[in-house]
Amino acid sequence: DAKTTQPNSMESNEEEPVHLPCNHSTISGTDYIHWYRQLPSQGPEYVIHGLTSNVNNRMASLAIAEDRKSSTLILHRATLRDAAVYYCIPRFSTDSWGKLQFGAGTQVVVTP
Amino acid sequence: DAGVIQSPRHEVTEMGQEVTLRCKPISGHDYLFWYRQTMMRGLELLIYFNNNVPIDDSGMPEDRFSAKMPNASFSTLKIQPSEPRDSAVYFCASSKQGLNEKLFFGSGTQLSVL
Repeated sequence: DAKTTQPNSMESNEEEPVHLPCNHSTISGTDYIHWYRQLPSQGPEYVIHGLTSNVNNRMASLAIAEDRKSSTLILHRATLRDAAVYYCIPRFSTDSWGKLQFGAGTQVVVTP
Repeated sequence: DAGVIQSPRHEVTEMGQEVTLRCKPISGHDYLFWYRQTMMRGLELLIYFNNNVPIDDSGMPEDRFSAKMPNASFSTLKIQPSEPRDSAVYFCASSKQGLNEKLFFGSGTQLSVL
């Protein structure tokens, strides 16, 4: 029962923007969308999260579709250090709280 | 704060031996999570605790796995007896309560069972 759909991989040139899509058609109005990334040989790290409106922080921007069934993580200027697996994870309010379940994610490759 | 601290960073053991992984969560966090990562299965949630009480252990693969949280600053994941298929990276994470709260992960324990 796949709760999110992400492309397996995406490539980008350094200094260019990267748009990572995620489909999460099963979320409801009170479910948050979280994004994490995992650099090689490290634990996952938080990137950004949102509920309804678009969000920005120092790492990335999150654009959430009006119907909330999809979102896009935007890395404005990719660097080599952004090469990682990016996970889109819905936080379902109806789940036993805390169940942050990771899918396969999107492998981002950044070329110089 | 030092973040989530896991030990050991690497563990190599022989099949049949007992393995104990340790985790110190961030002070003030209510939730603690244990994940396992393999190439085949990705990141799997094994178990999580709220205020030291196990809430959901449905991800624990079998009875050989057990987890405890005797106090707010310490948790263990034990495998007894260990098997080669248990070889993986085990991550611990902690969080405050809330759907908009973020998880903080440790650096993981690389376990190799020979």
